[in-house]
Amino acid sequence: DGGITQSPKYLFRKEGQNVTLSCEQNLNHDAMYWYRQDPGQGLRLIYYSQIVNDFQKGDIAEGYSVSREKKESFPLTVTSAQKNPTAFYLCASSIRDDRVDQPQHFGDGTRLSIL
Amino acid sequence: AQTVTQSQPEMSVQEAETVTLSCTYDTSESDYYLFWYKQPPSRQMILVIRQEAYKQQNATENRFSVNFQKAAKSFSLKISDSQLGDAAMYFCAYRADRGSTLGRLYFGRGTQLTVWP
Repeated sequence: DGGITQSPKYLFRKEGQNVTLSCEQNLNHDAMYWYRQDPGQGLRLIYYSQIVNDFQKGDIAEGYSVSREKKESFPLTVTSAQKNPTAFYLCASSIRDDRVDQPQHFGDGTRLSIL
Repeated sequence: AQTVTQSQPEMSVQEAETVTLSCTYDTSESDYYLFWYKQPPSRQMILVIRQEAYKQQNATENRFSVNFQKAAKSFSLKISDSQLGDAAMYFCAYRADRGSTLGRLYFGRGTQLTVWP
């Protein structure tokens, strides 16, 4: 079955540490997205990528970095510059960014907490 | 930037009854798509229904239907014959059909729906 796999399900970060959240999809989608979810805030866009080797900042990119070296993979690094990283992180993908009629498909999320 | 507003942080409904969740949005575009997503306690995001802005006919998916009022920029979700499994957080989302924000999804803050037996 095609889908999006996020790992790990739970992640803990120490002060000053960078951590990387994995997102893999086998849907052959071009576009991929990272969202942050906080209680009462809905989903906010961190970064998105329309194609391999290209990505753009979303609304809350500070303290995060991404790469898109393969179509299937879009890892998110939460750097030590992100002072409030505790949140639920969701990865999504869609066929192409310009196929706006097509929905974004979501992974099961990663819960990140500070130790 | 586009904004999506869900004015009801929480709603509740009796099993088998009907409930309507509200959503309004702000945009200067004429072509766009609107979505309702459901997030149950498992936290997986599930697409419930979608609506194209250029279609006047309201979308329907089984027990789920929308009331799309383009002039009022309103997009409410009606759940008929509510079931216990409908209990979840519901998010309204907007997606532009053109322009610099093409493809991006903008979400409201969500409405937590409780279904009572």
